Amino acid sequence: DTGVSQNPRHKITKRGQNVTFRCDPISEHNRLYWYRQTLGQGPEFLTYFQNEAQLEKSRLLSDRFSAERPKGSFSTLEIQRTEQGDSAMYLCASSPQGEEAMNTEAFFGQGTRLTVV
Amino acid sequence: AQKITQTQPGMFVQEKEAVTLDCTYDTSDPSYGLFWYKQPSSGEMIFLIYQGSYDQQNATEGRYSLNFQKARKSANLVISASQLGDSAMYFCAMREGRGGGFKTIFGAGTRLFVKA
Repeated sequence: DTGVSQNPRHKITKRGQNVTFRCDPISEHNRLYWYRQTLGQGPEFLTYFQNEAQLEKSRLLSDRFSAERPKGSFSTLEIQRTEQGDSAMYLCASSPQGEEAMNTEAFFGQGTRLTVV
Repeated sequence: AQKITQTQPGMFVQEKEAVTLDCTYDTSDPSYGLFWYKQPSSGEMIFLIYQGSYDQQNATEGRYSLNFQKARKSANLVISASQLGDSAMYFCAMREGRGGGFKTIFGAGTRLFVKA
């Protein structure tokens, strides 16, 4: 296992189209996070999963955004009817779960850069 | 409410000198962890150092040390002997314990410029 993998690395789409991103976490990690990062800003929390359960969704995540982790392994983030304001880097991270893993950092993928034109 | 605050949008430091990047946090959870990450222009997030809320001593990792002042809720990163390769964005992050769902949230970051 070489780390967190995200696909695609880059996506250019026309406004109004739907896009889907995929994240493959480190295999033994139960927790999976999605963040959005715009230029010069820190990663903004979007949502996270423990196994297949989606535990929390940020208010940043409008109804056009949906995330799944159907078998507790890989996750997908879908954006419907994309808008220019959705242009950003979408980062996925994974970590072990629970109090015993409090000191373990989140491992990040390389991100998917979305450009909506 | 902002949970992680990094008040320095940009910092300059002379090569070989030390620099402190500020971070304050807000939580009511007694169990939490504090992390610093580096993000160079290539975009990857690189973990630097961790401090647990119950740790009695400040964390150190090579040239990185974390000045943890629990009562003031601050977790400043100190980089000693700065190198040109330290030029990057630096993010402070916090993972709250059970009360916060163990999720990790980030500050807005500080861009560090190391001058030759």
